[in-house]
Amino acid sequence: QITLKESGPTLVKPTQTLTLTCTFSGFSLSTSGVGVGWIRQPPGKALEWLALIYWDDDKRYSPSLKSRLTITKDTSKNQVVLTMTNMDPVDTATYYCAHRPYTMTAFDYWGQGTLVTVSS
Amino acid sequence: EIVLTQSPGTLSLSPGERATLSCRASQSVSSSYLAWYHQKPGQAPRLLIHGASSRATGIPDRFSGSGSGTDFTLTISRLEPEDFAVYYCQHYDNSLWTFGQGTKVEIK
Repeated sequence: QITLKESGPTLVKPTQTLTLTCTFSGFSLSTSGVGVGWIRQPPGKALEWLALIYWDDDKRYSPSLKSRLTITKDTSKNQVVLTMTNMDPVDTATYYCAHRPYTMTAFDYWGQGTLVTVSS
Repeated sequence: EIVLTQSPGTLSLSPGERATLSCRASQSVSSSYLAWYHQKPGQAPRLLIHGASSRATGIPDRFSGSGSGTDFTLTISRLEPEDFAVYYCQHYDNSLWTFGQGTKVEIK
């Protein structure tokens, strides 16, 4: 059974750096083709893909946010970490991590999400 | 960058009715990379359809996907109470994932 869970601060100040951790179980990020992605959703708005890391440490970023994002993995801990610099109130959103299996380009398992509010 | 436009924004239907949701891409895309999700309030999205027409594990057969090129459709043959939610299409292209803006299916 695949599960993912996001953790991190619920409140950050403008200009600060956000660090979120996705802790997963039920799969290995060393399996060929597998990836873990981050997607966010501002309150009442649509989903926005942010970044994804593959089993081989290949990384992909949203072009609009690429300069602010870093995604890393710790395979031994079954964790993926996303950092986003220079946070702004418009970055207030629920942040999800999700599993991308080798068999498809969609996300088949999602974490419950974590709400991050950016406010002074 | 491909833009996905979903219509209508809101669909008001009664349980038992048929729902037809549209997702239009700004340029022709591979149907292999088109997916649909639904999201209930306070919950994470759930994958319904991948590869434009393949149901994900555990998804009932009242959900079906179709389409090619720039026009894709999600059909719910008979709406159940648990189907009232927001639906998103998603596409993968050139190492980028894109979501549509969503269609809300609400109870009439």
